[in-house]
Amino acid sequence: KQEVTQIPAALSVPEGENLVLNCSFTDSAIYNLQWFRQDPGKGLTSLLLIQSSQREQTSGRLNASLDKSSGRSTLYIAASQPGDSATYLCAVTGSYIPTFGRGTSLIVHP
Amino acid sequence: DGGITQSPKYLFRKEGQNVTLSCEQNLNHDAMYWYRQDPGQGLRLIYYSQIVNDFQKGDIAEGYSVSREKKESFPLTVTSAQKNPTAFYLCASSMGLAGGRYEQYFGPGTRLTVT
Repeated sequence: KQEVTQIPAALSVPEGENLVLNCSFTDSAIYNLQWFRQDPGKGLTSLLLIQSSQREQTSGRLNASLDKSSGRSTLYIAASQPGDSATYLCAVTGSYIPTFGRGTSLIVHP
Repeated sequence: DGGITQSPKYLFRKEGQNVTLSCEQNLNHDAMYWYRQDPGQGLRLIYYSQIVNDFQKGDIAEGYSVSREKKESFPLTVTSAQKNPTAFYLCASSMGLAGGRYEQYFGPGTRLTVT
């Protein structure tokens, strides 16, 4: 059964730092990996979707990479801002249904 | 605006009562999902539906039921058989299952409290 782990569980950084969130998965037979953002008490907002044939995707200050062979993905956030404070979740899809990690809780302080 | 709506945002019920959570989407998506989220946990899949009049159990379907009579609607009923129903419930949709080629979109969630 697919297991998804996100490290670190929590992160607190000063504004302006570049940071990396990690997502690892146990079964490399995946179709895609999706990164989400969740604000407290809210639903999930999709950030980036990487297909299994792709190595990375970029959107603004966000860059996500995928290394299927090693079972890893990273979400890179450039020049972090207080508005980036949220929980970031990754989800890996193997056979039709995504498996979610528990998320990384990020605080960016001014 | 296209999107997914869930109602109500907060729901309170007494133990032993059934309760139905609403999920509607106007994205013209075929696939819809229900997840449960507990503090410090990842999302756990309750039910999913690939097409109208068809749905499948997820990892934690016991004590829940769903219907998919219309493409845009996928209501979830939390029955009295669910032993620990207090949680945050999230509905999602995607264009199709299709081996996961499609992005998932989520609604704003319903927080259910049962006392």
